[in-house]
Amino acid sequence: GAVVSQHPSRVICKSGTSVKIECRSLDFQATTMFWYRQFPKKSLMLMATSNEGSKATYEQGVEKDKFLINHASLTLSTLTVTSAHPEDSSFYICSARDQGTGSNTEAFFGQGTRLTVV
Amino acid sequence: GESVGLHLPTLSVQEGDNSIINCAYSNSASDYFIWYKQESGKGPQFIIDIRSNMDKRQGQRVTVLLNKTVKHLSLQIAATQPGDSAVYFCAESRGAQKLVFGQGTRLTINP
Repeated sequence: GAVVSQHPSRVICKSGTSVKIECRSLDFQATTMFWYRQFPKKSLMLMATSNEGSKATYEQGVEKDKFLINHASLTLSTLTVTSAHPEDSSFYICSARDQGTGSNTEAFFGQGTRLTVV
Repeated sequence: GESVGLHLPTLSVQEGDNSIINCAYSNSASDYFIWYKQESGKGPQFIIDIRSNMDKRQGQRVTVLLNKTVKHLSLQIAATQPGDSAVYFCAESRGAQKLVFGQGTRLTINP
């Protein structure tokens, strides 16, 4: 199946700094990618939909200035957690669908990024 | 509001037995459903999907059943193995592409 690569897998940063997470579709093009956040023992919560060449669409309650999303190419979307605080510590996961196979197809997920803000 | 949820948060079965994980959804307009498996510290892994024009789909050791009348989705895993231990999520696709996840069921396979 298609592969989505997410980097880094783990990151520890100090409060007040910014962290960038990359999501790449390795063998397919994705005009749309999705960013999720997952708390321990909880489900995935959709944060935003990343659209190539245009602004991301954020879910209700997600601060767009806090979580900056850039989707500059058909294979790369980035999520930047700005001015990180301990409450931003979480597991962040990206996903993408292979646009070439139609809209109703499985979404492939990255391996996730464990962010710890100290 | 609309949601996708699961009936049981945990499920334990003996190795070799069959397991059934259930999921309820509330939006009758949903037309695509996926089951994912998530192991600790990893991203979700696709298991099987089903479209709303079907009521059953089979894969290797897994079967997904869709009952649109009662808005119910289930995942059957046959002859469970220790490697099946994980959290299983159902996800619903509404409209274009956004996936909404259920709360998850932790499946434990006992030796």
